[in-house]
Amino acid sequence: DTAVSQTPKYLVTQMGNDKSIKCEQNLGHDTMYWYKQDSKKFLKIMFSYNNKELIINETVPNRFSPKSPDKAHLNLHINSLELGDSAVYFCASSPLPSEGQYFGPGTRLTVT
Amino acid sequence: GDSVTQMEGPVTLSEEAFLTINCTYTATGYPSLFWYVQYPGEGLQLLLKATKADDKGSNKGFEATYRKETTSFHLEKGSVQVSDSAVYFCALRGTSGTYKYIFGTGTRLKVLA
Repeated sequence: DTAVSQTPKYLVTQMGNDKSIKCEQNLGHDTMYWYKQDSKKFLKIMFSYNNKELIINETVPNRFSPKSPDKAHLNLHINSLELGDSAVYFCASSPLPSEGQYFGPGTRLTVT
Repeated sequence: GDSVTQMEGPVTLSEEAFLTINCTYTATGYPSLFWYVQYPGEGLQLLLKATKADDKGSNKGFEATYRKETTSFHLEKGSVQVSDSAVYFCALRGTSGTYKYIFGTGTRLKVLA
């Protein structure tokens, strides 16, 4: 009974391709997030949804597009992949603002 | 804007040594403060939290106290184990704007047997 799950765990693809990463949480949380972690472990927020509404949209290329079909799912679609997109992408969810976040296991994206 | 500053690593300790990882923050009002741990190949796990001044968060032998006067939230453990080897992140959740979580750069801890 995984709390926050992501698929796939590994994704290797070529430059210029389009790919999607899926995230699901079964915790009943209202808020979900996407983060990018680079090779130096720096964690950068990309997007956040609250009850399917986009509330945080950081400065990321518009090749990245989040989609939240319902409160339990938040997917990330990436168009025209570039070498610099290689990173680990984490999905997270959160109940009340003061309760912290619950992270998925991550998706390691490698663009060749 | 809000920010979090962590001590740079790596931190290398012998088993049973005392651990301190420093974390200071800049934020308006009273943010919520967190420590997360990331083991190799895994996602971040919430380790402990504190939501108001003088609160002490604790879990698995780790502790951190919310110090408003010094804007700090240092992580401590009295006796580390090899299994504590991981990357530790300090984070805050602001009280204004979009209520983003802001993470520090992470501190790698290596514990030697």
